[in-house]
Amino acid sequence: DAGVIQSPRHEVTEMGQEVTLRCKPISGHNSLFWYRQTMMRGLELLIYFNNNVPIDDSGMPEDRFSAKMPNASFSTLKIQPSEPRDSAVYFCASSKTFGNSPLHFGNGTRLTVT
Amino acid sequence: GESVGLHLPTLSVQEGDNSIINCAYSNSASDYFIWYKQESGKGPQFIIDIRSNMDKRQGQRVTVLLNKTVKHLSLQIAATQPGDSAVYFCAEIHYKLTFGKGTLLTVNP
Repeated sequence: DAGVIQSPRHEVTEMGQEVTLRCKPISGHNSLFWYRQTMMRGLELLIYFNNNVPIDDSGMPEDRFSAKMPNASFSTLKIQPSEPRDSAVYFCASSKTFGNSPLHFGNGTRLTVT
Repeated sequence: GESVGLHLPTLSVQEGDNSIINCAYSNSASDYFIWYKQESGKGPQFIIDIRSNMDKRQGQRVTVLLNKTVKHLSLQIAATQPGDSAVYFCAEIHYKLTFGKGTLLTVNP
């Protein structure tokens, strides 16, 4: 079975550039989540969607971050402009239902902003 | 300057021994709990879950115990193997999934 698919696996960019991370959730899953992982803060929830609708974006660090889910099989997380402190591993996860089924994670995008 | 990074609790066991990883959760209203395993370079991988109406749940070589009175979860791994070496996270759900800090398990051959 195909799991959650994220691209790219690695992204290196210069400060000020726009970065777009992509995610394809597991087919049939109704909820999608974006997390960020750093050594300093561990795993932080940035935003989550249910049936393609953003439910809670209170974890998004600032206006430079935005996320979209135009359909049930695709989501993007965009950072514009990027800053060195955005360097982290960004994970996408999906679940069958919201709040009572396990999240299944992709293998992440390692972002380095120089 | 930058603050120090997370200092993960570490558990070191001998191959074949049983491992117990503990976790304290924060929200007494949380009603669903999950243990994840994360290997280097990979995303968190689901191990086992438990709902708040249960105290214990068993899987293959793993058991999760839930003590709601003291808001405590534990993961027991039987006959620990080198492939079990990873960081283990507990997570609680109350409207959204919140991760604990993680425990690094090292299995010595």
